[in-house]
This record gives sequence, C-alpha cells and structure tokens, in this order.
Amino acid sequence: AQSVSQHNHHVILSEAASLELGCNYSYGGTVNLFWYVQYPGQHLQLLLKYFSGDPLVKGIKGFEAEFIKSKFSFNLRKPSVQWSDTAEYFCAVNVGQTGANNLFFGTGTRLTVIP
Amino acid sequence: DSGVTQTPKHLITATGQRVTLRCSPRSEDLSVYWYQQSLDQGLQFLIHYYNGEERAKGNILERFSAQQFPDLHSELNLSSLELGDSALYFCASSVEGREFDTQYFGPGTRLTVL
Repeated sequence: AQSVSQHNHHVILSEAASLELGCNYSYGGTVNLFWYVQYPGQHLQLLLKYFSGDPLVKGIKGFEAEFIKSKFSFNLRKPSVQWSDTAEYFCAVNVGQTGANNLFFGTGTRLTVIP
Repeated sequence: DSGVTQTPKHLITATGQRVTLRCSPRSEDLSVYWYQQSLDQGLQFLIHYYNGEERAKGNILERFSAQQFPDLHSELNLSSLELGDSALYFCASSVEGREFDTQYFGPGTRLTVL
C-alpha cells in the first residue's frame, strides 16, 4: 500500500530562515505529488503539485518543491520564511492512475515561525 | 474560501447515535471526496463520488456510508457512533476525478462523540 512519511513533526524557525520539509513516499509506480497547507483555523489549500516534467516545481507564496525519483522524495522549500507561514504542511500523493484520484497524506509538519 | 461548504461546523453527539454531514462542492465540480482527520490516524481518504456514482473507497467503516445527489451535494452518514469516531471530517471537490485534478477542501466538520 502507498504511504507518505513526513519525518519533521514540528519545526520552529525564526523569520528569514530557510525552510526545508521532508516528504518521502513508498510506491514503485507513477505518482502525482502535492503539498497542502492548513493555516490556523482555515481549510487545506494547495501549495503546489507535480505530475511530470521539470522536477523542480514552483508554487504559491514563494514555495517550491523538488521531486527526486531515485530517493522517492518531494521536499518542500522556501528560502526565507515569514511569520505568516506558520501553519501545518501536508505532503500527499496519488498513484497516477486514471480514476485513482484519492490522496494519501503524510502526518503533517507543524511549522512555527517566530517573529 | 475554497468554494466548498460543509455543514455543520461542529457536531456533538453520544455513542450509538447517527449523524449526517453535508458537503456542497464548488459549482463547477463533479467529484466529491471525504476524508477523516484524527489525531492517531492523520488524514485518511474515505470515499470518492463522481457525478453521483461511487468511484473509489478507502478506509471507510461499514458503519459509514455516503451518497452524492443529483445536485452534486454529498452526505456522509455515520451510524452506531463510537468514541473513536471523534475527528474532523473534510470534504473536497474537483472538476472531474482525474489523477491530476486539484482537490479543493472545505472547512471541515468537527465531530465529537461523548
């Protein structure tokens, strides 16, 4: 079965620090990869997604992620975080088959940015 | 605001009871998904409906059922509730049900079973 691992449960950074959140998945076939963010009290929002092509994907709010197939990873990065980035971040995959759009989520990483 | 609405926002009920959660997708979306978020299990896919038909099932208990109506809104029915069913239930919708469609999430319904 597919699984998604996010090893960082809680990350605390100061404003302007760089961010990298890890995401690894287990599935040998084609996958589509997503990062969602959940700001306090709000719904899940899509940050970025990868289906094919350039493995470096740029999303909203200055976030980017790199798909490394050999490492089964899709890490999220931001060069300089802001206080407003405080949120919970979820990595998700689906198995890339027609009709199989259900997402498998990681356990989430809580990011706290200190002003 | 994603355009996906869920009612009610909060629901408190007792063990053994039955509840119905409602989801209205974005106006252009044909697919509805249900997810459960709990402290011990994280975010788990329950079920996917596309244009009224069940498309895929995940870790959905037999005590739970769902349907999507002709106007495309969906309901998740939870019966014989147990303490462990306390969780946040999210609905998401997408234009179709293709693997690369973006899913737009609603604000969730927080269910507390006492």
